[in-house]
Amino acid sequence: AQSVTQLDSHVSVSEGTPVLLRCNYSSSYSPSLFWYVQHPNKGLQLLLKYTSAATLVKGINGFEAEFKKSETSFHLTKPSAHMSDAAEYFCVVSDQGDYKLSFGAGTTVTVRA
Amino acid sequence: KAGVTQTPRYLIKTRGQQVTLSCSPISGHRSVSWYQQTPGQGLQFLFEYFSETQRNKGNFPGRFSGRQFSNSRSEMNVSTLELGDSALYLCASSLGWGDNEQFFGPGTRLTVL
Repeated sequence: AQSVTQLDSHVSVSEGTPVLLRCNYSSSYSPSLFWYVQHPNKGLQLLLKYTSAATLVKGINGFEAEFKKSETSFHLTKPSAHMSDAAEYFCVVSDQGDYKLSFGAGTTVTVRA
Repeated sequence: KAGVTQTPRYLIKTRGQQVTLSCSPISGHRSVSWYQQTPGQGLQFLFEYFSETQRNKGNFPGRFSGRQFSNSRSEMNVSTLELGDSALYLCASSLGWGDNEQFFGPGTRLTVL
């Protein structure tokens, strides 16, 4: 069975400083991994996905994530936070044999001016 | 290309009633999945439809059901509503069954009084 643990429920950063959102996963098969962002009262937007190609994945809006199989991690980073990055972020795993998505509990990002 | 649309965006019902939510996928997408999002349980998978057939199901009671039409539009139904069914219901579409890159709609906010 697949599962995801997001290690921080809330992250607060200053505008212009780096953002790190941590995610560990558990999967029985070769997983696909995703990061989604949800702004208030909006649906989920795909930031990036990993599907067994390059371990460093670049996404939209300057975000990137690194897949580390030995650590079962898929942390999301951005070098410089912007006010518009304030939102909730979800790490998601999907097993190759079972295409449903399993979501982490989410990390709320606050950006201070 | 239009995104995933969900109607209605907001609903208020009372306990014991039933409700039907609608989802129109992105043009050309043939798979539709449904998720429930609550503050306590987070995002949970309800079911997935492809070619008018339910292909995958989450751990929800039989009061939750769905269907998909030949044009890929989908509906989900909740009968005998309970207070705990209050949630944001999200629909996601993907190109086909087995394609786990899903695109989400804005959701339907259901409040049960």
